[in-house]
Amino acid sequence: QSALTQTASVSGSPGQSITISCTGTSSDVGGYNYVSWYQQHSGKAPKLMIYDVSNRPSGVSNRFSGSKSGNTASLTISGLQAEDEADYYCTSYTSSGPYVFGTGTKVTVL
Amino acid sequence: QVQLQQWGAGLLKPSETLSLTCGVYGGSISGYYWSWIRQPPGKGLEWIGEISPRGNTKYNPSLKSRVTISVDRSKDQFSLKLNSVTAADTAVYYCARHGGGYYFDNWVQGTLVTVSS
Repeated sequence: QSALTQTASVSGSPGQSITISCTGTSSDVGGYNYVSWYQQHSGKAPKLMIYDVSNRPSGVSNRFSGSKSGNTASLTISGLQAEDEADYYCTSYTSSGPYVFGTGTKVTVL
Repeated sequence: QVQLQQWGAGLLKPSETLSLTCGVYGGSISGYYWSWIRQPPGKGLEWIGEISPRGNTKYNPSLKSRVTISVDRSKDQFSLKLNSVTAADTAVYYCARHGGGYYFDNWVQGTLVTVSS
């Protein structure tokens, strides 16, 4: 059960849009619409941002959006704000798991 | 608003058993799946296992031989036991609720468990 692959770091200026990718296989990301994304500020617990590929929980800003194409899922943050600086993790249901997390992406707001 | 609170020993010696309990407050443990997840210092998240409303369990294949998750519905608590710990098991451990699907919508703050001789 290998971790999903995420870009190690992404940066952007306030107001810009950035996209974080999460690549798996047909046994996880590509096989199920059960990808979720979590934001983790330093020293804090993860927070659910997106579930089932593209659904936002109540209370999460609509600046966060999710999508999937083949074996790769993506999280886009539009109108980047200083408070978005955090680590982001994807996770997917997997036929062998049932859950596998991504390697994590550090988002830096310049 | 359901809140989670967890407790257990924070310092263990190699070969000992890690034991953590997660309490559910402001709601019932019934009707939801519950998971344990861990994060070694400076590293990513790792799913450990889950327990269903009926008490059925699933575990990460890499930890399956050492993990037991159980539930006490009378106390709205569920627990994690990890046997024969080593330094590699040093991590922040989280309990989390599944939000009605294959995702985790409610997380505890987390407990650092250190394994050291």
